[in-house]
Amino acid sequence: DAKTTQPNSMESNEEEPVHLPCNHSTISGTDYIHWYRQLPSQGPEYVIHGLTSNVNNRMASLAIAEDRKSSTLILHRATLRDAAVYYCILRDASGTYKYIFGTGTRLKVLA
Amino acid sequence: DTGVSQNPRHKITKRGQNVTFRCDPISEHNRLYWYRQTLGQGPEFLTYFQNEAQLEKSRLLSDRFSAERPKGSFSTLEIQRTEQGDSAMYLCASSFGGSESGNTIYFGEGSWLTVV
Repeated sequence: DAKTTQPNSMESNEEEPVHLPCNHSTISGTDYIHWYRQLPSQGPEYVIHGLTSNVNNRMASLAIAEDRKSSTLILHRATLRDAAVYYCILRDASGTYKYIFGTGTRLKVLA
Repeated sequence: DTGVSQNPRHKITKRGQNVTFRCDPISEHNRLYWYRQTLGQGPEFLTYFQNEAQLEKSRLLSDRFSAERPKGSFSTLEIQRTEQGDSAMYLCASSFGGSESGNTIYFGEGSWLTVV
């Protein structure tokens, strides 16, 4: 299985930037890195994805290391509504469209 | 709302009964996925379809679990002879393949199963 490693939990103060790291040293050359977040009792919500270049959208930015073995999700100004579990996921190494989730990072935002 | 739709959202059943969940993917999405999630864990892959073909099944899917997508549109996940260990949230997701968009998958809100 394609494996990602994330810290179990992180804390941030409201209105401050948050950098959520993910290691994916076994990533293949053609695989996109996807990030999702999940609020309690809801399905995972798509946040952002990228292949090689850094990406920005209205929710977040994604910084991808040059060797693609790690990436960082950046929330520019954390709000209380950003408190969630954040997952970075890859396709399974077999090349099928089976996406593997780890346990993610639980982000706590302090008012 | 044109997102992934799952029904029922909640189901309580007695051990030994059969249950069926339905998933309606986003229109024109040709890939459909089922995941299971228990408390404190990330979603676990169960199976996925490309159109009507079931291309991969997890070993988590015992012979009591079956999924279908008969016309390449909606899908059903059936659990026969439910056990208490089947209590979980069952998530459906869909994606549009055949493009260079990265095959982003979009999840529904999940169907909660409680086996008593």
